[in-house]
Amino acid sequence: KAGVTQTPRYLIKTRGQQVTLSCSPISGHRSVSWYQQTPGQGLQFLFEYFSETQRNKGNFPGRFSGRQFSNSRSEMNVSTLELGDSALYLCASSWTLAGESYEQYFGPGTRLTVT
Amino acid sequence: SQQGEEDPQALSIQEGENATMNCSYKTSINNLQWYRQNSGRGLVHLILIRSNEREKHSGRLRVTLDTSKKSSSLLITASRAADTASYFCATWGLNQGAQKLVFGQGTRLTINP
Repeated sequence: KAGVTQTPRYLIKTRGQQVTLSCSPISGHRSVSWYQQTPGQGLQFLFEYFSETQRNKGNFPGRFSGRQFSNSRSEMNVSTLELGDSALYLCASSWTLAGESYEQYFGPGTRLTVT
Repeated sequence: SQQGEEDPQALSIQEGENATMNCSYKTSINNLQWYRQNSGRGLVHLILIRSNEREKHSGRLRVTLDTSKKSSSLLITASRAADTASYFCATWGLNQGAQKLVFGQGTRLTINP
């Protein structure tokens, strides 16, 4: 099976711009989660999508949003970028049953730099 | 805030030695998972232990879980240079109103040849 893919791998944006990141999960996985990783805050959960619906959400401002398509591919959007949004954004897919998640399969990440 | 606290933050040992990393968490969990991350790349799942399990093995990895103490440990035996990476524990459960996987800050493991 092909792994989780994320595009683009690297991105440089300026403050105030918006950005869209894309994630293609492993075939058959219906759950896609997004995480932000920074040296200061570590790995933080952004949100999870399952069958095109946001099922769980972390504690991030409304500037961070996402969606999932019928083929389980997911996009994450960040509007009005701030310097503090510079981070590695990781997407993960998993096979889940109601109420429990199994191992997450991570993509290589998108390194976003905001200048 | 992070659910898991990992100890130590950094560990440096000689190749062939065993490495032990510890993780503590705060809320009730469904399962606890360990992941490895090589230098700024994506995470790789190592092992999952359910809340009703006490110990699990996978190759050179041994994980224990003590739900009464809300703690887990990861033991890597006969370490190799390729084991150099950051290791994260992650707990799956209800946290701040959401079912989610919450990661610790990680342990940076360096294996010296």
